[in-house]
Amino acid sequence: ETGVTQSPTHLIKTRGQQVTLRCSSQSGHNTVSWYQQALGQGPQFIFQYYREEENGRGNFPPRFSGLQFPNYSSELNVNALELDDSALYLCASSLLLRGGEPQYFGPGTRLTVL
Amino acid sequence: QKEVEQNSGPLSVPEGAIASLNCTYSDRVSQSFFWYRQYSGKSPELIMSIYSNGDKEDGRFTAQLNKASQYVSLLIRDSQPSDSATYLCAVIRDNNNDMRFGAGTRLTVKP
Repeated sequence: ETGVTQSPTHLIKTRGQQVTLRCSSQSGHNTVSWYQQALGQGPQFIFQYYREEENGRGNFPPRFSGLQFPNYSSELNVNALELDDSALYLCASSLLLRGGEPQYFGPGTRLTVL
Repeated sequence: QKEVEQNSGPLSVPEGAIASLNCTYSDRVSQSFFWYRQYSGKSPELIMSIYSNGDKEDGRFTAQLNKASQYVSLLIRDSQPSDSATYLCAVIRDNNNDMRFGAGTRLTVKP
């Protein structure tokens, strides 16, 4: 069984640029959620994708967008990067049945915005 | 009031002792509760999930849930230095699937 993978591991961008982060879900899972974790804080929910549709969104601006593909992998896109976007970006996959199922995290992408 | 609150710590216990980690949540319709362990520089790792009032045991870990008091805890028996990490409490509300996390409690187990 393959776990959740993310790429790249680290990324450095400058303010105003755009970035795309990628995630492959654990085999057998149908849902991908994205989180932002600032230093010393718990992860903050960005959005979730289920069957290629957005299935919930946290308090993040529209410049944070995503996609889910038929193989359940996913992308997180962030436009017009700001310094405060520097964080660890986590992808988590789960098998959504009735709701409330546990989510399993990938290793994360560390984004630094200069 | 934050949706999920944890004591930030640090919590320090000697090796072999019981570590007790606490979490409160504000939304009464929350139905699913999780404890994650996060080592420095790593991603969160699921330790326990609990859905019903009472205790749930898994090896050295026991999760306790009291929905009336909106309280969930994690006990770690026979604590080991390898248990030193930040422990994150997470909650999923009913009819929703986004997890809300506390800020985490940093645990140090001293040899």
